[in-house]
Amino acid sequence: EVQLVESGGGLVQPGRSLRLSCAASGFTFDDYAMHWVRQVPGKALEWVSGITWNSGYAGYADSVKGRFTISRDNAKNSLYLQMNSLRAEDTALYYCARCSSLEVVPAAYFDYWGQGTLVTVYS
Amino acid sequence: SYELTQPPSVSVSPGQTARITCSGDLLPKQYAYWYQQRPGQAPVLLIYKDTERPSGIPERFSGSSSGTTVTLTISGVQAEDEADYYCQSSDSSGSYVFGTGTKVTVL
Repeated sequence: EVQLVESGGGLVQPGRSLRLSCAASGFTFDDYAMHWVRQVPGKALEWVSGITWNSGYAGYADSVKGRFTISRDNAKNSLYLQMNSLRAEDTALYYCARCSSLEVVPAAYFDYWGQGTLVTVYS
Repeated sequence: SYELTQPPSVSVSPGQTARITCSGDLLPKQYAYWYQQRPGQAPVLLIYKDTERPSGIPERFSGSSSGTTVTLTISGVQAEDEADYYCQSSDSSGSYVFGTGTKVTVL
């Protein structure tokens, strides 16, 4: 059974940093690209970032480019999101999602999701 | 920025058919995908590549495409289908875009 378990969320002040983790199990982790998707409670989903199976390429939404860094450790079956210079508008539930493809390509989608970890940026 | 537009809400009686549309200029060139999100839960993939249904998804869920609009159809709606539904596709730069979301209410 595919399982994705996020952790690392919490309360943080604007301008500070936070690192999210996603522990994967139940599948061969390095056979898939992985993504982060966020959702402000009551609002729509927003893609944040994705990384290829071998970390060869990482893509970011314009809203986080230059502030967030996605990475993965295939030996540990883990995905990460380093979030720097956090803003109030980054407050959201952050989901880890498995990609349908090895690569971060347009014709790809998210076939399994974790339960999310909540990030609250407050002043 | 690229947008995928969905109706905010759809109401349907049990056993009837619900249709949820998703409109976007690039949909004739990019596949669309559909997700169901029940309250307090993570999204679940319902439809991929416009019309394909993953294993384990009930046959009452189907997808179709015509021009700049894709449609999710729920036939024989059940109470458990009350949820938010999102379409997803890609923009011209390859970034992933989600629709505005549709809340389905079962009367």
